Amino acid sequence: DAGVIQSPRHEVTEMGQEVTLRCKPISGHNSLFWYRQTMMRGLELLIYFNNNVPIDDSGMPEDRFSAKMPNASFSTLKIQPSEPRDSAVYFCASTPGGGEGAVYGYTFGSGTRLTVV
Amino acid sequence: AQSVTQLDSQVPVFEEAPVELRCNYSSSVSVYLFWYVQYPNQGLQLLLKYLSGSTLVESINGFEAEFNKSQTSFHLRKPSVHISDTAEYFCAVSAPGFQKLVFGTGTRLLVSP
Repeated sequence: DAGVIQSPRHEVTEMGQEVTLRCKPISGHNSLFWYRQTMMRGLELLIYFNNNVPIDDSGMPEDRFSAKMPNASFSTLKIQPSEPRDSAVYFCASTPGGGEGAVYGYTFGSGTRLTVV
Repeated sequence: AQSVTQLDSQVPVFEEAPVELRCNYSSSVSVYLFWYVQYPNQGLQLLLKYLSGSTLVESINGFEAEFNKSQTSFHLRKPSVHISDTAEYFCAVSAPGFQKLVFGTGTRLLVSP
């Protein structure tokens, strides 16, 4: 199993540009989570999906952020327009899911390091 | 709602010394507790978890954690650390019926020769 695959690994973009981060969860996992990690705020849950449906997006910082999961094997996190304060490492994680998916443990991707200049 | 407090942001220790990373949780319901480890430039990996039963849980690489309900703690320990244990360690909490994990702020373990 290749694990959770995120792309790109690194992204440098100019302020105001659109950024799209991608995630492929583990096959058979039906819950997917997007986290953001910064030195100041640590790990923040942005949004999570069950069976491709967004369940909780209360962590999405503002309307500039959007996430989609068009099918069980792909999800995107988009920032438009990007700002320097969006610079962070963005992680995707998946779990077999159900009501207590956390007990199985999350499998994290290697992250996308986003730098907005 | 659940929350987790990791009291130490950084713990320096010499190789082969024992270490304890502290974690306290808050919850009005029963909990599941986890420790994750993050090596440099990598994602988090599950180290060990407590769901129920024996309050002492162990990982395959010599770490152990003990669930203490009266002290609402889940401290992580290792009797003898290696250089390769240098990483950031996150305590996390969830609860029966919940899917979200709530992570602590992390403790950076620095092992030096």
